[in-house]
This record gives sequence, C-alpha cells and structure tokens, in this order.
Amino acid sequence: DAKTTQPTSMDCAEGRAANLPCNHSTISGNEYVYWYRQIHSQGPQYIIHGLKNNETNEMASLIITEDRKSSTLILPHATLRDTAVYYCIVRPNFGNQFYFGTGTSLTVIP
Amino acid sequence: GAGVSQTPSNKVTEKGKYVELRCDPISGHTALYWYRQSLGQGPEFLIYFQGTGAADDSGLPNDRFFAVRPEGSVSTLKIQRTERGDSAVYLCASSHPGTSSYNEQFFGPGTRLTVL
Repeated sequence: DAKTTQPTSMDCAEGRAANLPCNHSTISGNEYVYWYRQIHSQGPQYIIHGLKNNETNEMASLIITEDRKSSTLILPHATLRDTAVYYCIVRPNFGNQFYFGTGTSLTVIP
Repeated sequence: GAGVSQTPSNKVTEKGKYVELRCDPISGHTALYWYRQSLGQGPEFLIYFQGTGAADDSGLPNDRFFAVRPEGSVSTLKIQRTERGDSAVYLCASSHPGTSSYNEQFFGPGTRLTVL
C-alpha cells in the first residue's frame, strides 16, 4: 500500500538539478511526505520530509503542491554519488512504518 | 557514533533450516524496525518494536517469522523452516521517539539471506 506513484527511472547530467516527481493524490490531512534514497547495496537514507510547506536542508529541497497531491524532490547540483533509488513515502507523523513502493532509479551521467 | 549494525552480512542456508538475523540499533534508540527487501522492490515492513515489546507485527508474512528484543536494544529476527521465497535482504532500522529526529529511521546495511 505505497500510496505514491513515481517514474521508474530518470537520468540527470552531473552538475544539473535533478527534479524527481511524486504523485500522492490520496494523501490525507495528517500524512507527511517523506523522501529516502537507497544507494546500491546500502540501507535507505533519510533525505527530507514535509507536510505542506516547502522544505530545504543540506541535501535537497522538497516542493509540495498547494493541494498536496504531488511533490518534487530537488537535488540542486547532482553528483555521481547521487545515483540511487529515490523513494517517496506518505505516512502520518510518528507513524510506525514506511511503505516504500518501488521508487525512482536516478542515474547521474558524467 | 556507530550506526545500526546487522550480522551476518550474508547468510546462505538450506530450505527447511532455521536462521537468526541480528540487529544492533543506535545506542539509545527505543524504536526498532525490521523490513524485507526483495530484488527490484522497495523495503517491505515486517515488525516494529517500541522498547521490548512488538508494537506492530502486522507485516510478518506468516508464523514462521518471529522477532524479539528482550532488553530493548538488540533485536533478533528468527525464521523457521526457511523457504526459497524467504531469500531477500533483511533491513533493520532504529529511531528515537521524542526527539526532532524521530521521523528519521536510520537503516543498517542489511543481511542478505539466500535459501537454497
């Protein structure tokens, strides 16, 4: 029950911004949007999360539409090390678990 | 400080055997999660501990799977009568409720289980 839809794969040129979209049209009022990524052969790594306001941290920016039915994760200057599978997840804050779905495989191209 | 560790990193067993997978969470993290990841899929939730008790075991696929966390720290995932379909990477994560980082689950590197 992933509740999100993401493109299967994307490419991005090194140094350019990577914009990863996510649809979550059935999101409810108490559910947050989370992004994790998983580099090959490693465990998932937290990136960012938000409720309705745009968020930014040292890794990325999260843009959530006003109706909250979709969001975009932005990696401002993609590097080769950003090649990974990116998961968009919705869940209530302080919920018990994440439903990961299949994510977007991002390849950063030199 | 040290992150989440899991042992062994790889486990090969034969169909029908019993296996135990260990997770050492980050010190002080009271919440612990087990996930299973099959090839090409995202992690799938199995069980969640808050302290010593299993607060949510709704993801365990059947009664061959069991997990314990007797002292509220280390956890062991136990699989009885293993089947080939149990082959996957088993991931453990921990978090610390009540802190600003509660929503960030810190994952270990996983144990790759292969059932022959």
